Amino acid sequence: EAGVTQFPSHSVIEKGQTVTLRCDPISGHDNLYWYRRVMGKEIKFLLHFVKESKQDESGMPNNRFLAERTGGTYSTLKVQPAELEDSGVYFCASSQITGWNYGYTFGSGTRLTVV
Amino acid sequence: DAKTTQPNSMESNEEEPVHLPCNHSTISGTDYIHWYRQLPSQGPEYVIHGLTSNVNNRMASLAIAEDRKSSTLILHRATLRDAAVYYCILSTGGGNKLTFGTGTQLKVEL
Repeated sequence: EAGVTQFPSHSVIEKGQTVTLRCDPISGHDNLYWYRRVMGKEIKFLLHFVKESKQDESGMPNNRFLAERTGGTYSTLKVQPAELEDSGVYFCASSQITGWNYGYTFGSGTRLTVV
Repeated sequence: DAKTTQPNSMESNEEEPVHLPCNHSTISGTDYIHWYRQLPSQGPEYVIHGLTSNVNNRMASLAIAEDRKSSTLILHRATLRDAAVYYCILSTGGGNKLTFGTGTQLKVEL
């Protein structure tokens, strides 16, 4: 089966611009997660979708970040306006079943650089 | 969130077994122990998980102490492709988010 796919793999934008990251989960996976690693820090949870609903968005840093998952398939994460501290690697993961009994499959990430 | 403690780095020779330790003294009775690894320029990759009993899969084995306050990830024959950062993660309260620490950087040499 195809894995979790993220677009683009790299993005360089100027401060104040808008960037949209996309994640295509494994087909049939209802659960979709966004994580990110900013420079020098640990990988941090951002939010969790179950189908098209936001189950947990406690990790979203501020209102410049907007995540959507229309139709419960792919998801987008928009940063508007981007700030320098948003630079880092954004990972998406998916799982078929909710809960801790199962592993998640991660994508390779989108490296975002804000200059 | 329940905390795990891992060594910052470990080294191994190729073809030898590797034992990666993890301490989690504050683990609760319902917490699962998960291991993920991250190869360079890739996303984290699921390795194995367990609750109380030792677990084996095609990638590794997980040995869990009887009191569950520590666990060990065992790679039976390390290869150069196993060089990665290995994360030991506890579930908390049945939630659905992973709390990554700093992990252990495993270096594998010929």
